[in-house]
Amino acid sequence: DIQMTQFPSSLSASVGDRVTITCRASQGVRSWLAWYQQKPEKAPKSLIFAASNFQSGVPSRFSGSGSGTEFTLTISNLQPEDFATYYCQQYNTYPRTFGQGTKVEVK
Amino acid sequence: EVQLVESGGGLVKPGGSLRLSCAASGFTFSNYTMNWVRQAPGKGLEWLSSMSSRSSFIYYADSVRGRFTISRDNAKNSLYLQMNSLRPDDTAVYFCARDRVGYGDLDYWGQGTLVTVSS
Repeated sequence: DIQMTQFPSSLSASVGDRVTITCRASQGVRSWLAWYQQKPEKAPKSLIFAASNFQSGVPSRFSGSGSGTEFTLTISNLQPEDFATYYCQQYNTYPRTFGQGTKVEVK
Repeated sequence: EVQLVESGGGLVKPGGSLRLSCAASGFTFSNYTMNWVRQAPGKGLEWLSSMSSRSSFIYYADSVRGRFTISRDNAKNSLYLQMNSLRPDDTAVYFCARDRVGYGDLDYWGQGTLVTVSS
């Protein structure tokens, strides 16, 4: 199985900050990498697919990059509604696997 | 509007069974691969199972293979998860989610249904 490792596991930031989350795959997953946002007691929401493509309606302050084994999610100009937990997921092979999550908290 | 609504969760004793349903609307259900994903309390997301649009391809996570069975009824726009031999560590919120056509990530999710396995 492909292991997905996110870091950091949590971070504290302020409104207006630039935040970067990294996701590393134990094997290459080409560009088959997605990012999701989850708020407490809510279902995850799609943010980014195929490493760098936006889900419809996602603000342009979110961006994704990477391929192979190393990927990043960047949130520029962090907004109050962005405080949440973010997960990466590879879908190159089954079983599809998620990272353990990165919680973005208010500093 | 795409909607996925799970139901069937509840409290069940260890060793028991439960069948979850996911009712889909707002899209042509029969064209999409569908999935189940779960989240234990305070934990991360765990992909469980996928079924292709015509039920030709089915995949399971090792943690549930042999105990859980995914199925679908395209005429009823519904996805199911039959869960047998339930264990306390199966306690989680269970989400159904739709594959993005041509990619395979999960573009829409239901709100989830809670399954609690406890004596």
